[in-house]
Amino acid sequence: GQQVMQIPQYQHVQEGEDFTTYCNSSTTLSNIQWYKQRPGGHPVFLIQLVKSGEVKKQKRLTFQFGEAKKNSSLHITATQTTDVGTYFCAGPEETSYDKVIFGPGTSLSVIP
Amino acid sequence: DGGITQSPKYLFRKEGQNVTLSCEQNLNHDAMYWYRQDPGQGLRLIYYSQIVNDFQKGDIAEGYSVSREKKESFPLTVTSAQKNPTAFYLCASSPGLAVVGTDTQYFGPGTRLTVL
Repeated sequence: GQQVMQIPQYQHVQEGEDFTTYCNSSTTLSNIQWYKQRPGGHPVFLIQLVKSGEVKKQKRLTFQFGEAKKNSSLHITATQTTDVGTYFCAGPEETSYDKVIFGPGTSLSVIP
Repeated sequence: DGGITQSPKYLFRKEGQNVTLSCEQNLNHDAMYWYRQDPGQGLRLIYYSQIVNDFQKGDIAEGYSVSREKKESFPLTVTSAQKNPTAFYLCASSPGLAVVGTDTQYFGPGTRLTVL
């Protein structure tokens, strides 16, 4: 069945270093969504990408959707302690579009 | 958060008891979802509903039941048949239907269920 994978599973960085997480789908996606979950909190929607090759920025966060619409990345420049959390990518289920398939997430720790 | 409320935040139950988790949204969203999250794990879909009086099983529906009698409400019952019910339960909603941009999920704050 359709799968959405993310790497790495965990990442520890020194504050100020950059961070990248990668998302790969087994099928072509109509769109890709990114969510952030702070420790003890709930996932919060960050952004949605729709177009092939699309790049969007939110301050220090850069999101990219692959040309083939099967992969995506989230890059954080100069991490801060406020970036700590788990980042999930998600894409619509290919057949019914009734639901989205979430990746397993990348957990980011930032060492002050 | 985002117009979705879940109650209670923490819930303790004895093994063998059924328990119902509340989820209410005032976003006028058609679709609602229930996820389960275990420590250090991702989100697993339990049930979802695209319209009132209709719902579908997700990936881990066994031991759970839902109802969707009103658009704004989607309660989840964890039955005694669920073998490992202790987990963090998240409710979400989205505008719904197969239109790009309407499947973005808005999550509630979650309920942490502990079965003793």
